[in-house]
Amino acid sequence: EIVLTQSPGTLSLSPGERATLSCRASQSLSDTYLAWYQHKPGQAPRLLIYSASSRATGIPDRFSGSGSGTDFTLTISRLEPEDFAVYYCHQYGNSPYSFGPGTQVDVK
Amino acid sequence: QVLLVESGGDVVQPGRSLRLTCTASGITITSYAMNWVRQAPGKGLEWVATISYDGNIKSYAESVKGRFTISRDNSKNTLYLQLNSLSADDSAVYYCARRDSWGYSVYWGQGALVTVSS
Repeated sequence: EIVLTQSPGTLSLSPGERATLSCRASQSLSDTYLAWYQHKPGQAPRLLIYSASSRATGIPDRFSGSGSGTDFTLTISRLEPEDFAVYYCHQYGNSPYSFGPGTQVDVK
Repeated sequence: QVLLVESGGDVVQPGRSLRLTCTASGITITSYAMNWVRQAPGKGLEWVATISYDGNIKSYAESVKGRFTISRDNSKNTLYLQLNSLSADDSAVYYCARRDSWGYSVYWGQGALVTVSS
């Protein structure tokens, strides 16, 4: 079973600032089957990044993903008001599939 | 409009059963594997179960194995989750999601709330 850990747990930033979120896997992810989701209360999770670094359709280019093996990063280059939310990494290559515990990005 | 709509959420007593339904409109799910994912109050997302496009392959999280059953009816473009022997730990919003060809999920429902309480 692959366990994902995310850091930090909470990130307090101001609009316009850069956000850097980390995700670490307990074992190497084959073929970088790693996605990032944004989740807001009362809404469905929204796919941002798949295959570690590919932006999903319609996702603004301020969102970018990088990494391979066990270490992955989601970067939001300049936070917009609508970006304050919880972000989850998710490995979908090996069952049981798993999510990280999430990083809350809130307004400083 | 692309929609996945979950239904069947309810308040149930511990030990009882419930069936959730996920109906798709505007998209086809018949050629895709499907997931159930849940979020307990104040907690993160948890993968629950996946079923292959034809229903022949099913996988479950350890926390629900032996109690939950995922199934589908492709003639109705519909996915199901049978929840048995429910406990308070199963209280959550349950989401269905289409698992696209490479494994990630673009399409999600809005969720169905299951509350297990006496």
